[in-house]
Amino acid sequence: KAGVTQTPRYLIKTRGQQVTLSCSPISGHRSVSWYQQTPGQGLQFLFEYFSETQRNKGNFPGRFSGRQFSNSRSEMNVSTLELGDSALYLCASSLSDRGRNEQFFGPGTRLTVL
Amino acid sequence: DAKTTQPPSMDCAEGRAANLPCNHSTISGNEYVYWYRQIHSQGPQYIIHGLKNNETNEMASLIITEDRKSSTLILPHATLRDTAVYYCIALHYNTDKLIFGTGTRLQVFP
Repeated sequence: KAGVTQTPRYLIKTRGQQVTLSCSPISGHRSVSWYQQTPGQGLQFLFEYFSETQRNKGNFPGRFSGRQFSNSRSEMNVSTLELGDSALYLCASSLSDRGRNEQFFGPGTRLTVL
Repeated sequence: DAKTTQPPSMDCAEGRAANLPCNHSTISGNEYVYWYRQIHSQGPQYIIHGLKNNETNEMASLIITEDRKSSTLILPHATLRDTAVYYCIALHYNTDKLIFGTGTRLQVFP
């Protein structure tokens, strides 16, 4: 069974640009969550989607947005990039719509903003 | 969501048991204790979770105190590949929102 895949793996952008990251969950998983990891702030929850609906949102500005498609694939978008957006962006999927199942993480997309 | 407290770092000799403590004194009855680990530059990996009973799987054992205010993750025979940051998380049963703390950096040495 294929794991969570994220594309691209590495990305370099400049300030002011926007970026879209993609996540394909494990087949059959309907919940997809996004996390940002930086050396200073650690792992922080961005948002969670289930059945194309955002169910939870972390404390990030509106420049960070996401969506989920009918096949459970998810994208996140960051507009007007800032230097501080440089981070590892991780996506995780889970089988159930309850918090009693493990989440499977992808390898992440490393975004560098210059 | 309950806050968890873990020691910042621990060492363990290869082949010995690694016992990683976690304090979650404000955990509610609806929150599970989850453990994940992150090996350098990889995505976090699920290890084990439990509500109030001790749990064991092929990776580890989880011991939860009777009052549920603390728990211990046990890696019975640590290997060098177990060197990672280990996160203890109190997760409400009705959400997938993981709140990661700073975790414990476990160093397994030969």
